[in-house]
Parts: sequence; C-alpha cells; structure tokens
Amino acid sequence: GENVEQHPSTLSVQEGDSAVIKCTYSDSASNYFPWYKQELGKGPQLIIDIRSNVGEKKDQRIAVTLNKTAKHFSLHITETQPEDSAVYFCAASIDDYKLSFGAGTTVTVRA
Amino acid sequence: GAVVSQHPSWVICKSGTSVKIECRSLDFQATTMFWYRQFPKQSLMLMATSNEGSKATYEQGVEKDKFLINHASLTLSTLTVTSAHPEDSSFYICSAPKKSGTNGYTFGSGTRLTVV
Repeated sequence: GENVEQHPSTLSVQEGDSAVIKCTYSDSASNYFPWYKQELGKGPQLIIDIRSNVGEKKDQRIAVTLNKTAKHFSLHITETQPEDSAVYFCAASIDDYKLSFGAGTTVTVRA
Repeated sequence: GAVVSQHPSWVICKSGTSVKIECRSLDFQATTMFWYRQFPKQSLMLMATSNEGSKATYEQGVEKDKFLINHASLTLSTLTVTSAHPEDSSFYICSAPKKSGTNGYTFGSGTRLTVV
C-alpha cells in the first residue's frame, strides 16, 4: 500500500518567516495530494490540494509543489502568523479513494 | 457545501460498555465513509471503509467485531465501539468523499472517546 513520509516532525519559525514541510510517497499511481491543518481536538481542515496533472498551486500565503518523478510534494507557507500554529498533515490517494497520511508536522510560529 | 456532522464530540464511558458514534452527511449523499482513529500526537490511521448497503471493509489489525460499522443510508454511517476498554480511548474521525470523481474529502469534527 501507499506509504507517505513527512518531514520535519516539528517546525518552529519566527512570525513573518516562511515554513516548508516536505512529503514523499511510494505509490506512483497516487494522483491526489491534499494538505490538512488540524487544531487541538478538531478534525482536519483542508488548506490546499494538488492533483498529479499540476506541478504547483498557490492560494494566498500557501503553496504546494509536486514532483511526480521524484514522488515528493511540499507545502510552503509564507509570511507566517501565530494563527498558523497547528499540526499539518500531508496525504496521498489514488482517484480520491483511501487517503494515506503522513505522520504530521507540529508548526509553532513565534511572535 | 459537503458537510459531515459527527456526534458526539466527546464521550466518557465505563469499561465494558459500548459507545456509538454517528456521522451524517448534511447536504450530499455519502456512499462511502472512512473511519479513522488518532492517538495523541500521532497521525490518522484508517480503521475501516463503509459503503452504503454493504459490509464494511476493515484494515489489517482492526477487529470487526469490536468496531461495528453500519452504513444503512446514504446520509448516515455509525461506528460502535463494543465492550470498550481504556486502550480504545482515542480520537475517532469520519471522512467522506465530497462527490464521486475529483472533489476531495470532507471530515467530521471528531469524537474524543475516553474509557475509564
């Protein structure tokens, strides 16, 4: 089955700096790659996603890049703010079926 | 659109009792529902996949007789933790594909189960 690895496990950044989280996947058939933000005691919230026919996608301060050849994708958050502090998960799936999640990254934005 | 409502948000039960968690799709028909378990500071682990009108498919290592899943309608899927024990204490989350095709998933808000 699909194996998704995520790094780093924790990330501390100064407010205003950028944060980058990287994930790799094992199944070349995976074609959907969402990123979720999870706050304590809540369900995951989709922040951005990308499909395999696109190499990069941006939504305001958040961007995701995908390298299908290397089987890795990354989340970029620019101009970080304290409210960006949360746990972030990458995930991968084939045709919107089962999602395989990375281990998560705890992001702390220092004011 | 595509909202999944999950209840209860938290529950405390005694060892040996059963607990039912409900997930309802409010504005769409969820033919498939995924059930995840998340232990503290860990990732979401898929437990089972339920499909409306048929038996659920369980992931390896998940006891189907302990975690009963029912998906009797297109808008309701339930997970019942039977004979709960303290090691079943966890955060349980449901998720459904928004629509068939390429629209991603929607997640419930999660249920914090504590077994004492």
